[in-house]
Amino acid sequence: DAMVIQNPRYQVTQFGKPVTLSCSQTLNHNVMYWYQQKSSQAPKLLFHYYDKDFNNEADTPDNFQSRRPNTSFCFLDIRSPGLGDAAMYLCATSRAAGGLDEQYFGPGTRLTVT
Amino acid sequence: AQSVTQPDIHITVSEGASLELRCNYSYGATPYLFWYVQSPGQGLQLLLKYFSGDTLVQGIKGFEAEFKRSQSSFNLRKPSVHWSDAAEYFCAIYRTNDYKLSFGAGTTVTVRA
Repeated sequence: DAMVIQNPRYQVTQFGKPVTLSCSQTLNHNVMYWYQQKSSQAPKLLFHYYDKDFNNEADTPDNFQSRRPNTSFCFLDIRSPGLGDAAMYLCATSRAAGGLDEQYFGPGTRLTVT
Repeated sequence: AQSVTQPDIHITVSEGASLELRCNYSYGATPYLFWYVQSPGQGLQLLLKYFSGDTLVQGIKGFEAEFKRSQSSFNLRKPSVHWSDAAEYFCAIYRTNDYKLSFGAGTTVTVRA
């Protein structure tokens, strides 16, 4: 049974056209993370939510925003995608914040920017 | 800064042969270390983790890792690989200064018949 679900699995958007990626979880975890993973690179943390508290990484571009309307759902909004934003976007959850708790990853959304 | 390095970008191994993936860490104290696997088109899955205690850690899917402080290493091993082990493997360290995971660049494993 899927525990962290990401929709869509593949997303194609045009340069500059806003796009929203979705993540939902059935684990009732407090923390939700968004990572960006470019080809053959390590996942890079963009931001995370601990409950409703939003924590942005210092080097995450302003172009990237996130919303968490409730415990189960979290959205990644890219306001004006550039070609450099083409990547796999991974959502993850953990019971507690702080990194030591196991993170459960979704299958990812592969974003293509044309 | 606490970080991990995976020296091998790509490894090819025959099915049934043994596998060892290298991970070197940088940290003065006892690190918290993880190995994750990412199958094609999938998210990451935790294989095993080391926090303290026994330096040989058993994980899922028949994997184990050995923590060696003298070598600053946390290498992942499997005695006999299966075709389904073809994937990308990431070593990660928990950074105690900002409570985040820092991943290595990954090692891609190809399994040949």
